[in-house]
Amino acid sequence: DQQVKQNSPSLSVQEGRISILNCDYTNSMFDYFLWYKKYPAEGPTFLISISSIKDKNEDGRFTVFLNKSAKHLSLHIVPSQPGDSAVYFCAATGTTSGTYKYIFGTGTRLKVLA
Amino acid sequence: KAGVTQTPRYLIKTRGQQVTLSCSPISGHRSVSWYQQTPGQGLQFLFEYFSETQRNKGNFPGRFSGRQFSNSRSEMNVSTLELGDSALYLCASARGLSTKAKNIQYFGAGTRLSVL
Repeated sequence: DQQVKQNSPSLSVQEGRISILNCDYTNSMFDYFLWYKKYPAEGPTFLISISSIKDKNEDGRFTVFLNKSAKHLSLHIVPSQPGDSAVYFCAATGTTSGTYKYIFGTGTRLKVLA
Repeated sequence: KAGVTQTPRYLIKTRGQQVTLSCSPISGHRSVSWYQQTPGQGLQFLFEYFSETQRNKGNFPGRFSGRQFSNSRSEMNVSTLELGDSALYLCASARGLSTKAKNIQYFGAGTRLSVL
């Protein structure tokens, strides 16, 4: 049962355009969400996060949007650069019935074309 | 400041053998979590250690175990290896328990285990 889903395994975008990566979750107890970026032969690195009390968080070229009613978050990269080519993982965290969960999605491979 | 170090980077084992992976967290970090990454499955949480105690555990069989030492270094052991255990095993460290809000995890480069 995949509680955090990234339904697009891959995405190609032209340099300078917007990249939109999507993530859906099923459990309403998740209250903090993070995006990580992973280059080949390296571990994931933290990119940006958002609390459930917000619907938007921006950091430079990266913006994360959260739609709690739809249980959906998205990462926007504007403008996209070739160096952004990587695998992006979303993660959802929260506690239910005393059990804390930190669950990652399956990842989306972004390719930015020069 | 040194990052998270995982050793070895690559391992080849045969079915039935056991394996031990090592993780040295960032200095000052007391939480270490382990993940298994396989194609199409994302990062599957194995367990988390904090102050030498296992604090969280994922849905993996008992063949997967771990421990944490007083210097926060952690080891993960997999016994009676199966072909399906072939994966990238990632270790992540954090300042505090993952239950703390805004808890960012810092990952090592991983150990790629191949079971033949």
